[in-house]
Amino acid sequence: EFVLTQSPGTLSLSPGERATLSCRASQSVSNNFLAWYRQKVGQAPRLLIYAASSRATGIPDRFSGSGSGTDFTLTISRLEPEDFAVYYCQQYGSSPLTFGGGTKVEIK
Amino acid sequence: EVQLVESGGDLVQPGGSLRLSCAASGFTFNSYAMAWVRQAPGKGLEWVSSISGSGGTTYYADSVKGRFTISRDNSENTLYVQMNSLRVEDTALYYCAKGQTTSAGSIRFDPWGQGTLVTVSS
Repeated sequence: EFVLTQSPGTLSLSPGERATLSCRASQSVSNNFLAWYRQKVGQAPRLLIYAASSRATGIPDRFSGSGSGTDFTLTISRLEPEDFAVYYCQQYGSSPLTFGGGTKVEIK
Repeated sequence: EVQLVESGGDLVQPGGSLRLSCAASGFTFNSYAMAWVRQAPGKGLEWVSSISGSGGTTYYADSVKGRFTISRDNSENTLYVQMNSLRVEDTALYYCAKGQTTSAGSIRFDPWGQGTLVTVSS
């Protein structure tokens, strides 16, 4: 089965700092169909990035995605208070659709 | 504005059944695939099932295949999932989510509803 491994499990940073989150796939993601979501406490996930590097509608440009094949990265250039949350990657190039285990970005 | 409102979550005994609904508005419902994604308490996200815009194509996670049935009523703009033979491990918050095209394969989820809680316990 397609496995997505996110690292680190927890990232402790201060507001204004840069965050770099990793998502590694057990096999190549077809068409780089890799998405990133942010889930704030008590809320539903929200799509941030699709197709590895395209920002979803309404997502600020401090969020950027990169990578291809099996290695993908989500970068938040300057952390805002609302960015302290859990982030999930998802591959949608192959069935079954799968999510990574998540990275929690917490306030240092 | 796209809105997705789930309902039907409840406490049910192991082996029981439940039907969840998701009322959609703000977009042309039959033009988009829809999906159910669940999240067990304190855990990550798990895709459950997807259905094409026409309802003619469906996909299921192995963990629910043969027990859950996804469907949609395009005249009522509503998505459903019928859950039978429920297990303790099916306990989760169930989200409905909209796909980006009419095809049920290769979908990303945007947006999501707020979820409805299913608890399976004796």
